[in-house]
Amino acid sequence: DTGVSQDPRHKITKRGQNVTFRCDPISEHNRLYWYRQTLGQGPEFLTYFQNEAQLEKSRLLSDRFSAERPKGSFSTLEIQRTEQGDSAMYLCASSAPINEQFFGPGTRLTVL
Amino acid sequence: AQRVTQPEKLLSVFKGAPVELKCNYSYSGSPELFWYVQYSRQRLQLLLRHISRESIKGFTADLNKGETSFHLKKPFAQEEDSAMYYCALLSGANSKLTFGKGITLSVRP
Repeated sequence: DTGVSQDPRHKITKRGQNVTFRCDPISEHNRLYWYRQTLGQGPEFLTYFQNEAQLEKSRLLSDRFSAERPKGSFSTLEIQRTEQGDSAMYLCASSAPINEQFFGPGTRLTVL
Repeated sequence: AQRVTQPEKLLSVFKGAPVELKCNYSYSGSPELFWYVQYSRQRLQLLLRHISRESIKGFTADLNKGETSFHLKKPFAQEEDSAMYYCALLSGANSKLTFGKGITLSVRP
C-alpha cells in the first residue's frame, strides 16, 4: 500500500499518560498535516510541516502537544499528560505542492 | 476567519432520487473548495474540487460566489453513494483545510 499510513490505529490510555502517534506520508510528498476529529465534527487542523520545518500550529495545539518531522519523512505527534478531552481521531495527510491532500486511516485515541 | 457550514446532518433518499448536499462558506480571500467523502470503514478521500469542474461518480458541484455556496448534486442517487460527505475550504499559504461538520447520506433501495 503506497498511501499514507498511521500507527497505531487505536490507542487506549489512562488520563495523565503520554502517547505518541506516527504518520508515514506518501514518499514524494513534502507537505504533511495533522488534523483532529471529534464525534460529530469535521477534521480540524492542528499543524503543518513542509519537509522538516513546522510552519504552522493551530491554537488547538496546546503546550501538551508536540509534533516533529525530523528528516522530512515520517512525523510523530506526542500528547503529554493526556486528558479525557484529548479523546479523538487523529488524522494525518500529505500532499505535494498544489495537489490534493491524501489522508491516512487515522489513530483513534481513547483517554480513560 | 474562514468557516464552512453544512446545515444538515443527515439526508436520506431512495435510490434514483436526486441529491443535494448543501455547503456554505465564509472566507475573505479567493476560495478553493472541495468535497471529501468517507465510505464505511474507509479513509477520507477527495471526491471533487471546484477548480477541476469535473463530474465524479455522477456528482457535480458549482461554486457560487454570490451566495458563498458550493452545493454537491447528483441527479440519481445510488446505494453505493451512502457515505459521510464533508465540504472543505483551502486557505492560507500553507494550504490547510477547514472542514464542515459533515453530512451522512443514506440511499435506501
